[in-house]
Amino acid sequence: KAGVTQTPRYLIKTRGQQVTLSCSPISGHRSVSWYQQTPGQGLQFLFEYFSETQRNKGNFPGRFSGRQFSNSRSEMNVSTLELGDSALYLCASSLEGGSQPQHFGDGTRLSIL
Amino acid sequence: AQSVTQLGSHVSVSEGALVLLRCNYSSSVPPYLFWYVQYPNQGLQLLLKYTSAATLVKGINGFEAEFKKSETSFHLTKPSAHMSDAAEYFCAVILNSGYSTLTFGKGTMLLVSP
Repeated sequence: KAGVTQTPRYLIKTRGQQVTLSCSPISGHRSVSWYQQTPGQGLQFLFEYFSETQRNKGNFPGRFSGRQFSNSRSEMNVSTLELGDSALYLCASSLEGGSQPQHFGDGTRLSIL
Repeated sequence: AQSVTQLGSHVSVSEGALVLLRCNYSSSVPPYLFWYVQYPNQGLQLLLKYTSAATLVKGINGFEAEFKKSETSFHLTKPSAHMSDAAEYFCAVILNSGYSTLTFGKGTMLLVSP
């Protein structure tokens, strides 16, 4: 069974640009969550999608948004990029969400110049 | 308020020695508890999960964790460290079963020397 796939693996952008990251969950998984990992703040929850609906959202500004498609694939968008957005963005999927174990992709490393 | 505390940002052991990584949580209700491992340039891999069925949870790669409600702890152990265990380990909780929000500790880097 294929794992969680995130594309691209690496991205370099400049301040003010926007970026879209993609996540394909494990087949059959309907819940997709996104996390930001930085050396200073550690791992922080961004949002969760289930059946194309955002079910929960972390404490991030509105520049961070996402969506989920009918095939459970998810995208995350960051607009007006700032230097502080440089991070590893991780996507995780689970069957139904809740307390079920989440399985992570290898992440997208975003660098802002 | 910090929900998960991992004691020690770095832990060093010799190959073959006992591994003990500490995790304490702050919750009035026993949360759902997880341990994840992260190797360089990779995502997080689930080691084990506390399901309330048993206080001692066995995971992959010879790791296990014991849930102690009285101490609000969920420490990770492995009897004999291997070089391949060198990685960063994260303890995480889900405080509300209605949501999938994982709250992570700051992580502990495990260093294994020959």
